[in-house]
Amino acid sequence: NAGVTQTPKFQVLKTGQSMTLQCAQDMNHNSMYWYRQDPGMGLRLIYYSASEGTTDKGEVPNGYNVSRLNKREFSLRLESAAPSQTSVYFCASTEVGGGTAFFGQGTRLTVV
Amino acid sequence: DQQVKQNSPSLSVQEGRISILNCDYTNSMFDYFLWYKKYPAEGPTFLISISSIKDKNEDGRFTVFLNKSAKHLSLHIVPSQPGDSAVYFCAASASGTYKYIFGTGTRLKVLA
Repeated sequence: NAGVTQTPKFQVLKTGQSMTLQCAQDMNHNSMYWYRQDPGMGLRLIYYSASEGTTDKGEVPNGYNVSRLNKREFSLRLESAAPSQTSVYFCASTEVGGGTAFFGQGTRLTVV
Repeated sequence: DQQVKQNSPSLSVQEGRISILNCDYTNSMFDYFLWYKKYPAEGPTFLISISSIKDKNEDGRFTVFLNKSAKHLSLHIVPSQPGDSAVYFCAASASGTYKYIFGTGTRLKVLA
């Protein structure tokens, strides 16, 4: 049982490049989340999907887009990467909103 | 506006003693609270939670206390072990919102 799987684990982008971070969960969870972790800032919510077919903005959505491809997969896209988006990105899922969230291992993204 | 605050960035405790990690929140709609533990290069892992209908929840060496009137929760670890050295995040959510808001984290170091 893999839980929450994120790909890639590491990525270096040049300013202005685009990329998509992938996340998949095999726990049949309804809700999925994308967070970023920065030093001194904790974990900040970028976007979330309460259920398949819905997405909503979190605390820091600017510069990002998301797609809830199906119940298992929730992707995060950076259309034009900026150095301020250098961070560690975590995907998480919960069975229902308000339950325990399970996290992936993270993607370390550097934008130069 | 930081809705969930962990005012101590770091804490050092001797092995065998009690570790107390604190968390304050401002949103009175929060009714479910969680603590996560994070090791370097790994995703956060769930530790313990508490609903607003309770004021205490225990799980082995870990106890979470909730003081709703003060909008304060704390995590007690007794006895502390070197393997407990990690960053601890508190998180809060409000029913029906599907969002988890995290604090900035406290780095706990348990000294052998």
